[in-house]
Amino acid sequence: GQSLEQPSEVTAVEGAIVQINCTYQTSGFYGLSWYQQHDGGAPTFLSYNALDGLEETGRFSSFLSRSDSYGYLLLQELQMKDSASYFCAVRDRGGGFKTIFGAGTRLFVKA
Amino acid sequence: EPEVTQTPSHQVTQMGQEVILRCVPISNHLYFYWYRQILGQKVEFLVSFYNNEISEKSEIFDDQFSVERPDGSNFTLKIRSTKLEDSAMYFCASSAQGGDEQFFGPGTRLTVL
Repeated sequence: GQSLEQPSEVTAVEGAIVQINCTYQTSGFYGLSWYQQHDGGAPTFLSYNALDGLEETGRFSSFLSRSDSYGYLLLQELQMKDSASYFCAVRDRGGGFKTIFGAGTRLFVKA
Repeated sequence: EPEVTQTPSHQVTQMGQEVILRCVPISNHLYFYWYRQILGQKVEFLVSFYNNEISEKSEIFDDQFSVERPDGSNFTLKIRSTKLEDSAMYFCASSAQGGDEQFFGPGTRLTVL
């Protein structure tokens, strides 16, 4: 089967750094994506890793280790507006572009 | 900035009725998707569409569901005979590359009574 595991909730304070982990188990693997979703909103793409290593985009970075079937999203200099749900997602290696989402991590940023 | 649009924003229907959810993907994108999200739960893949045909569908996407790209801009999801458990937010998404950076529309909240 295919599954992604990520913590259900994380709480941090403004200005801090938080890491959201994701482990995956899939029949095939093509890449790991991260999406942000505010309450009542649509998922918004944050990052995509197809190769091992760290990708940095402003305050957000994403890491992938294919050998460990593991990745994480790192959020730096947390702001109140970062309070949202964060989903890791795996693109299945089958030819059909199927994307499987994790259950999401709810991030609460406190003042 | 180009965006994916969806109509209606909210659809209320009676069980057993047919509904059509509409989406306009970003104009130069070639890959289209439908997802659903039951309140408070994860985003679930329904179907991907490329080159005017379904690329892949999930086990949720049974015979009651169909998709169509009736013209060069619209992408629709039809549910033939709605059930109570079809109540969810339905998101359309599109991407320039298959499976990668996907742009989501604002969603259609479907309520089946």
